[in-house]
Parts: sequence; structure tokens; C-alpha cells
Amino acid sequence: DAGVIQSPRHEVTEMGQEVTLRCKPISGHDYLFWYRQTMMRGLELLIYFNNNVPIDDSGMPEDRFSAKMPNASFSTLKIQPSEPRDSAVYFCASSFGDGTGRAFFGQGTRLTVV
Amino acid sequence: SQKIEQNSEALNIQEGKTATLTCNYTNYSPAYLQWYRQDPGRGPVFLLLIRENEKEKRKERLKVTFDTTLKQSLFHITASQPADSATYLCAGGNSGYALNFGKGTSLLVTP
Repeated sequence: DAGVIQSPRHEVTEMGQEVTLRCKPISGHDYLFWYRQTMMRGLELLIYFNNNVPIDDSGMPEDRFSAKMPNASFSTLKIQPSEPRDSAVYFCASSFGDGTGRAFFGQGTRLTVV
Repeated sequence: SQKIEQNSEALNIQEGKTATLTCNYTNYSPAYLQWYRQDPGRGPVFLLLIRENEKEKRKERLKVTFDTTLKQSLFHITASQPADSATYLCAGGNSGYALNFGKGTSLLVTP
């Protein structure tokens, strides 16, 4: 398996623009997580899905953020409109519900909003 | 709020020594703690998991402990090597599977 695949790896956009980050989880994993990492705050959980259903989105900072998982092999995180403070590395991770909670992370998308 | 706290200061040690990293948790009781390694520009990679009813876990040169009284986990790398240089993240979790991460501790092993 290729692991968790995220795209794009880097995104530079202007303030006010819409940004869409994409994630393909590992086949067979039934949990998918979106995290954001910054130097100041570390890794923060934004939202997670179980069997394509959003379970907890309490970490989503504002209504400008939305996430979808239309099927078991694809998820998106959208920011509209983007702001400079959204600049961070966004990670997608997936896990298998075997009770260990072991998460497999993608390479991340480095987002810069100017 | 639930917190996982790690020493923010970088740890510098000499090759061959044992590195010990600390993770403390507050305001909750995780059912398990996990340790991840993160290299620059990469996503975190899982290393070890220890459950609340386990005192100690080992994997090759790695050892992790879980002290529910102190609310602390210690992560040891014995016979450290320059290739062990990375940031190490501690994460706590419960049955909901979502992990709560600390900010990580940077380890530098010099020859």
C-alpha cells in the first residue's frame, strides 16, 4: 500500500481565496483524521470521520473550514475564504479500528496564505 | 482542557548514551499513550503504544513507561545514534481513537 496520500504537497494562495486539500486514506482503514500543525500550537485535531461519517468537528476553528468524506477512499478539507493565520502544515491520517488508535500519517500539505 | 505536555527544550546527547524524553498529561486519563517520530518535512511515524494497565513496553532500543500515579510517560532510546535525531511526539487516546498530541521534543544525537 502506498500509505496515506495527500495533495498538494505545497499550496501558496492569496488571502480570500478558496483552498481545497485532498486525502486518500489507506485502504481498509475506517477512521480518517485531519490535523493542523504549527510551531505555536503543535498538532491539533480538526475533525475525524468513522466510516465516512464525521464524528467530532469541535476542532474546526471557524465556519470557514469544512471537511467532507464522500466515500471510503477520499476526503477533502476546504478553507473559504483563507486567511494568513491559516498558514500551517495540514496532515491527514487514517487508522484501523483495532483498539490501538495507531495512526498512519500522510506527508502533509504546507499551506501558505499571503 | 485535556493536555499532553512535553519538554519544549531540545535534548542534546552524545552518541551511545541513553536519551530519555518525558510526557505528562493533565485533566484526563488516556487509555493509552503513543510515541511518534517526526522528521523535518515528513508526517509523524508511529513507534510504540503503551496501555494504562501496562507499566513498560520495549521494542529493540526503545522503551516506554506509563505511570498513572505521576500521570507521566517516559520514552527511552538506548545506545542512541545520530540517525535517532528527530522530533518525538507523545499522544494520548481513548476509545474514540482521536489522538491528543503534545508539541514534541527535539532530540539531537551528536557523534
